[in-house]
Amino acid sequence: NAGVTQTPKFQVLKTGQSMTLQCAQDMNHEYMSWYRQDPGMGLRLIHYSVGAGITDQGEVPNGYNVSRSTTEDFPLRLLSAAPSQTSVYFCASKRAGGGGGTDTQYFGPGTRLTVL
Amino acid sequence: GQQVMQIPQYQHVQEGEDFTTYCNSSTTLSNIQWYKQRPGGHPVFLIQLVKSGEVKKQKRLTFQFGEAKKNSSLHITATQTTDVGTYFCAGPKSGGYNKLIFGAGTRLAVHP
Repeated sequence: NAGVTQTPKFQVLKTGQSMTLQCAQDMNHEYMSWYRQDPGMGLRLIHYSVGAGITDQGEVPNGYNVSRSTTEDFPLRLLSAAPSQTSVYFCASKRAGGGGGTDTQYFGPGTRLTVL
Repeated sequence: GQQVMQIPQYQHVQEGEDFTTYCNSSTTLSNIQWYKQRPGGHPVFLIQLVKSGEVKKQKRLTFQFGEAKKNSSLHITATQTTDVGTYFCAGPKSGGYNKLIFGAGTRLAVHP
């Protein structure tokens, strides 16, 4: 298993440009999510999905779109990049759970994005 | 809103010293997870605690979940340079089992 893969690893954008960060997992996990990581702020949830065709907003969704057409893929789109979106982006997946346990969340290697 | 706080933000120790990081939630948690992120890497799951007062050990790492299920700690005995990284705790958002709220993390530096 490759686990969770992300492309690209690094990206530099100019303000106003759009782009898509790719994320794929081969573990047949129902739940996928996108986080951004900024210094001193931990990981903040952008969007998540509990299955194909189902997405919802996290803590910081503005400026980002997602879709989930297959179980494996969960791309994140930046509509019009802004310097405030300079960050490290992590995609994660896990089995959908509930009750007392949420199961292990597996993270991809991350995309380091700089917006000039 | 619901918050998960970690202290300290940064800890610098000499190799062989012990280290502890604390995690406090503003709400009662059904479970808590701990992750480690090496410099330049991605978060890697370490453990999940579910029961009130639970204590789990992984070699030199000891994890505790408070009786009220609102706090947790990670203790490393006799740190090694391989322990360097940032340790995050995370708990499920109230009413949303699949959404995790992460603490800001504790960055550990170990000097030989």
